[in-house]
Amino acid sequence: DAGITQSPRHKVTETGTPVTLRCHQTENHRYMYWYRQDPGHGLRLIHYSYGVKDTDKGEVSDGYSVSRSKTEDFLLTLESATSSQTSVYFCAISGGGGSYNEQFFGPGTRLTVL
Amino acid sequence: TQLLEQSPQFLSIQEGENLTVYCNSSSVFSSLQWYRQEPGEGPVLLVTVVTGGEVKKLKRLTFQFGDARKDSSLHITAAQPGDTGLYLCAGAQTGYALNFGKGTSLLVTP
Repeated sequence: DAGITQSPRHKVTETGTPVTLRCHQTENHRYMYWYRQDPGHGLRLIHYSYGVKDTDKGEVSDGYSVSRSKTEDFLLTLESATSSQTSVYFCAISGGGGSYNEQFFGPGTRLTVL
Repeated sequence: TQLLEQSPQFLSIQEGENLTVYCNSSSVFSSLQWYRQEPGEGPVLLVTVVTGGEVKKLKRLTFQFGDARKDSSLHITAAQPGDTGLYLCAGAQTGYALNFGKGTSLLVTP
């Protein structure tokens, strides 16, 4: 298994509070991704990073920001959490883009916003 | 926009039966991947197919990439309870992102 950890694994928070989720990898992969997974919607890309300090928006980026100051860490921040952001969040990594772009996923963070 | 449509959405079968899951699109992909996800865990990569018409086998699982590289299928022979899970297909085009289907939820009962 790829060395990817996510923290926390579970979090309950209240509407309006800031939340930061952390993804840590030990694979030295260049690319990192944040997805959310919701019933009926599947996996949707929030943001991704193609290098230290290089990030870009995905399909559902509104209300989220990211930062990557080191190769191994990719942070996802909800500046002011809303109930619509209740979801399971997955981090993924890949060694490169192009034709294959095989991604390896972390165990997920279940976030509940009350 | 959902580029990849998976069918069926849900499948409940008994141990020993065969099944096929489909992943269809009107778009061409440079490669297509299949993942399996168990409850409470992240998706795990099963296989990547790259060439149109390619067939790959992983024990009782057979994966096929369509000739035009727009669709794929996953066939499971003699399903076992351990095959239970959510099967996701994902297609790569240009850039860094994958386009995921919504998944097929498979339940295999003893």
